[in-house]
This record gives sequence, structure tokens and C-alpha cells, in this order.
Amino acid sequence: DAGITQSPRHKVTETGTPVTLRCHQTENHRYMYWYRQDPGHGLRLIHYSYGVKDTDKGEVSDGYSVSRSKTEDFLLTLESATSSQTSVYFCAIGTGLQETQYFGPGTRLLVL
Amino acid sequence: AQKITQTQPGMFVQEKEAVTLDCTYDTSDPSYGLFWYKQPSSGEMIFLIYQGSYDQQNATEGRYSLNFQKARKSANLVISASQLGDSAMYFCAMREGNIGNQFYFGTGTSLTVIP
Repeated sequence: DAGITQSPRHKVTETGTPVTLRCHQTENHRYMYWYRQDPGHGLRLIHYSYGVKDTDKGEVSDGYSVSRSKTEDFLLTLESATSSQTSVYFCAIGTGLQETQYFGPGTRLLVL
Repeated sequence: AQKITQTQPGMFVQEKEAVTLDCTYDTSDPSYGLFWYKQPSSGEMIFLIYQGSYDQQNATEGRYSLNFQKARKSANLVISASQLGDSAMYFCAMREGNIGNQFYFGTGTSLTVIP
């Protein structure tokens, strides 16, 4: 168990509202990642972090921002949610020599 | 071009038989890592096996083995003695370059084990 939690686990929101998803780890790992999973696309990287206050964009970063003020927390914010951001969001941490990514349980987000 | 290609959207296998799930990758970086994950219907992503680009031998983890053919850029997952609990989505992924680089995932293969 890699000690990763995500909150909330489920969320329904309306178009145009801001949404923040939280990823929390207890393992003190340096690398953390946010993905979204959609049918037919597998998992796609939104943003990742390689340390406190060090973040970078992934392949689908438009409409998302992240922050990491503490090693254990990585926040994903949808500035103004759109229906196209309805998805399952996974957080992951990189561990071990090969930085295998271990995933949190996921957050199901529905934007109406 | 897709970094990871999984061409089998769905596969069926008889219980206790072996099954191979295909994965091809595309990279020009000599250093990379290849990963397989399992996603059961409950939704969690479970790490199965890892192969490094410089590893000389194919990786094995229990009933899982990775058939790594570097020249063909393929990293097929072999599951031996399939069990009903193996029914799930399986994703191939690649970390290109150094540690800390992003992962690229394939679109997955849905495996159904038939009793």
C-alpha cells in the first residue's frame, strides 16, 4: 500500500464553478502526478510535480492548474469546470529505483 | 504518433490457460521503462510488472512475465494459468528517458477469463 488518498472520491458540480481535488501521500515521495482517465484514451497526464513548488505540464493541462506547497499534498484545480472535464481523476506517486507509479483510488467528477 | 499502442481492445481466455496481451512502444530515447497495470472493475490501478530498457532478462512477477523484444519495440504481458480474478483492463505504460519524466499509457486491453 503506497499510502495515497484522494478527496473527494466523488463530486458533482456545475459548469463554470471552480473545483479542487486533493491528493495526499504519507510516504514522502518526491514525484506526484495527476491523470485523467476517459474511455478510449487510457490515462493522460495533466500535471506533475518533482518537488515542493516544482510542477510541470503534461499533455492535457489546458483548463487545469496545480499546487504543491507541502511534500505530502498535491492539489489539482479546475479553474472553471466544463462538461469536457467530466472524468475519473487519478493521482499517482513515483517510488523506487525505477520510479514506478502507484495510484490513488481515483475521483469521479461529473460536471453538469 | 502514439507512444504506446495496445491493439487488442478485448481478449478472452479460458481459465487456467495462458494469455498474451500485446504492447508496442515508440521512443528514440535509449533509456526508458515499461510498465503494466491492471484495473479491475472496482477502478483502482494496480502495478504488475516493470522492464527497464537496459535489462537483459525479461521481467517476471509470479504469474506475470513481460516478453521484451527491444528491436521490435514490443513489451507483451504474459499471464500464465489465468484465474477468474484476472478479468480486468490491462494498461501498458512507458516512462521515456530519465526518472521523473511523464508516463505514457496505452488505451488498454479488456481481458475476460472464462470459467
